[in-house]
Amino acid sequence: GAGVSQTPSNKVTEKGKYVELRCDPISGHTALYWYRQSLGQGPEFLIYFQGTGAADDSGLPNDRFFAVRPEGSVSTLKIQRTERGDSAVYLCASSLTRGTDTQYFGPGTRLTVL
Amino acid sequence: AQSVAQPEDQVNVAEGNPLTVKCTYSVSGNPYLFWYVQYPNRGLQFLLKYITGDNLVKGSYGFEAEFNKSQTSFHLKKPSALVSDSALYFCAVRDGGNNDMRFGAGTRLTVKP
Repeated sequence: GAGVSQTPSNKVTEKGKYVELRCDPISGHTALYWYRQSLGQGPEFLIYFQGTGAADDSGLPNDRFFAVRPEGSVSTLKIQRTERGDSAVYLCASSLTRGTDTQYFGPGTRLTVL
Repeated sequence: AQSVAQPEDQVNVAEGNPLTVKCTYSVSGNPYLFWYVQYPNRGLQFLLKYITGDNLVKGSYGFEAEFNKSQTSFHLKKPSALVSDSALYFCAVRDGGNNDMRFGAGTRLTVKP
């Protein structure tokens, strides 16, 4: 079956611009997570959705980052006024429910801010 | 807050030899432990997890891991390494009731023919 998909696979933007990154989870998965992976590091938690609501956004680094999941499936991570330090691979994962369920990851979007 | 340590940046083994990739963790509650593998330009692939029950967990591609509560470890093992096992391996932990999963920095495994 189809796994988690993310678009675009690569995004190059200029400092100060606005970007949107999309995640399409596995069908039927109610939980969706966003992570950020910088070079040489493990993924870092950003935000968790259960259904349409952001149940935990404690990992978002500042108010330039925002994410939505309006219909409980596709999610969009939005970054305003991008900075060079935002350059990283943004990973999305989904799981059937929360709890002990395994998170399945998408291939990621590599964001480069020039 | 929970945390994970992978003490080795790099592990090198010869094909056919056993391999171990180390992981230790710290949580205040019950640990949920995971291993993922990442191939170049690809997302993380799930290998195995420990939630409760038998301390020895068997996963994909012949990998297994042993949960050791007294040593707070969850080392990944395979009896006979393959060249195709060469990749970046991540250990991760969730503190039972928390939402976020904390990952280690990763260990690069290289299996030489």
